[in-house]
Amino acid sequence: DQQVKQNSPSLSVQEGRISILNCDYTNSMFDYFLWYKKYPAEGPTFLISISSIKDKNEDGRFTVFLNKSAKHLSLHIVPSQPGDSAVYFCAASVSGNTPLVFGKGTRLSVIA
Amino acid sequence: GAVVSQHPSRVICKSGTSVKIECRSLDFQATTMFWYRQFPKQSLMLMATSNEGSKATYEQGVEKDKFLINHASLTLSTLTVTSAHPEDSSFYICSARVPLFRPEAFFGQGTRLTVV
Repeated sequence: DQQVKQNSPSLSVQEGRISILNCDYTNSMFDYFLWYKKYPAEGPTFLISISSIKDKNEDGRFTVFLNKSAKHLSLHIVPSQPGDSAVYFCAASVSGNTPLVFGKGTRLSVIA
Repeated sequence: GAVVSQHPSRVICKSGTSVKIECRSLDFQATTMFWYRQFPKQSLMLMATSNEGSKATYEQGVEKDKFLINHASLTLSTLTVTSAHPEDSSFYICSARVPLFRPEAFFGQGTRLTVV
């Protein structure tokens, strides 16, 4: 059973517009949620995270929103740039030295 | 951020041979490292948790005799794919966390293994 789900395999957005990537989870024990960006044949690069005690975290063009009651989080990128085109993975973890659990990823294409 | 280095980035080997992949934490000590595998257009699937000085913990369905993990020091974990077969061809990635300071995990560059 998949604990972290990204139901949209792909998303296309016009340059300058907002990109919204969604993620749902089932395990209520998760207390940290993270977004990673990945290019082909490279390891994932950390983008932004949010603790379960918060509902929003912002870093430049990237904002992550967490709705604990709905077990849902989203990543907003605004304004979107062509260089943002990549696969974005949502991940979740339980505190401590435990592995991250990943969603299947969403391929974002930002069109100039 | 913390740096994790993985080597080699790409390897091609013949069926039946073994391949070793190294994962190093360059600027921090990692008592635990994680090994993932990614199939084309799929998610990152956890294979095993590598623990310094003790046996690795393997996920269900991962053959421990085929994927040998050694975590001999606080900065190095190795994954050896033994008697490789074409179905072992995949993208392997290691990661480590610095749990006392940061919630995120840092990833190596990944290794593209092709078994011919």
